[in-house]
Order: sequence, then C-alpha cells, then structure tokens
Amino acid sequence: EAGVTQFPSHSVIEKGQTVTLRCDPISGHDNLYWYRRVMGKEIKFLLHFVKESKQDESGMPNNRFLAERTGGTYSTLKVQPAELEDSGVYFCASSQPLAGGPLNEQFFGPGTRLTVL
Amino acid sequence: GQQLNQSPQSMFIQEGEDVSMNCTSSSIFNTWLWYKQDPGEGPVLLIALYKAGELTSNGRLTAQFGITRKDSFLNISASIPSDVGIYFCAGQTSGTYKYIFGTGTRLKVLA
Repeated sequence: EAGVTQFPSHSVIEKGQTVTLRCDPISGHDNLYWYRRVMGKEIKFLLHFVKESKQDESGMPNNRFLAERTGGTYSTLKVQPAELEDSGVYFCASSQPLAGGPLNEQFFGPGTRLTVL
Repeated sequence: GQQLNQSPQSMFIQEGEDVSMNCTSSSIFNTWLWYKQDPGEGPVLLIALYKAGELTSNGRLTAQFGITRKDSFLNISASIPSDVGIYFCAGQTSGTYKYIFGTGTRLKVLA
C-alpha cells in the first residue's frame, strides 16, 4: 500500500511569489493534516481536514495560506504571496480513526522543503 | 498555548551505548507518542502511550508515560548506526486530532 506522498520535494521561490504544495494521503484515509517545521523548531500543526471539510484550522499562520481538499482526496496548500518566514518543511499526514475515538496513528509524508529567498 | 519541552537537543553517542531522552509539558495529554524522522523522510511512529504510568517496549525502545500525564521518556538500548535521526515526542488531548510536537532530539551514533 502506498504511503502519503507529497509534491514537490523541494521548492525555492522568491519573496512575493506563489507556491502550491500537494499532498496525496493514504487511500481511504478521511483525515488529512498539514504541519510545518521551521528549522530547529517543533513540528507545528496547521490544519485538519475530515474528507473535504476543514475540521480545525487553528494553526494556519495568516490569510496568505489557503488549504483545499476538493473531493476529499488529495489536498493542496497554497502560499500567496510567500514571505521569508514561510521557509521550512511542510509535512502532510493522514489517518483513519479507530472505532470509538481519535486514538489514531497519523502517517506522515516525506515533506516539502520550501525556501523563500 | 500547549508546548512540549524536549531534551536533550542533540546527542552524540558510541555504538552500543544506551540513550535516554525526555519530554515535559505544563499541559496534560491523553496520548503521548514518540516519532523518529530519518533524513529526507517524514516522521514514523515508534511508540504510542495511552495510560498514565504506562511502560511500553518496541524492540530496543522503551517509553513511559508519566503518572501526571505531563511527561514521558524514551530509552534506546544498545544503539546501532541506523538509530541516527531526529526523535520527536508528541502529545494529543482528548477530543482533538492534532498533535503537539516537541522540538526534537537529534541523535548521532558513532561507530
């Protein structure tokens, strides 16, 4: 079974440009998450989809970030316009809840390393 | 907001040595997890802890969930070169799906 995949693996853009990251979750996983790790810091939660609905977007930094999951399959995260502080590794994860509650395992993709110059 | 303080930040050890790292928080978590990230890969779950005081092993790895639900440690025994990577603790509170991660412990094993 294929794991979580992310594209691209690396992206280098200039400040003010737009970048779109893509995540394909494990087939059948309704829950999809975006996280970000800025160098040397913790992995920070950005948002959580259940199918195509945003369940929790409390971690989104500001309105320059837009996440979508049309059709409840793959998801995109667009940054427009990008700023220097947006640099970091963006991870996507997916999970299928166990019966009875949110005690689930989140499976992570390899991440997209974004560098904003 | 909720934070996890993870220590040490990095470790250099000799192959065969035992390793210990820990996480503390001012918040209570219902689930505690330990993940490992290999270079160029995403984090992979090592151990999940669900009950206060729980001690769980996975091969050479042992982790315990603190009795107060505010801390956890991870031990690796007889380290080998493939143990190299970044180890993250993460907590999850009841009723939420998001993980709160620590800053990571970078482990290097010298042969």
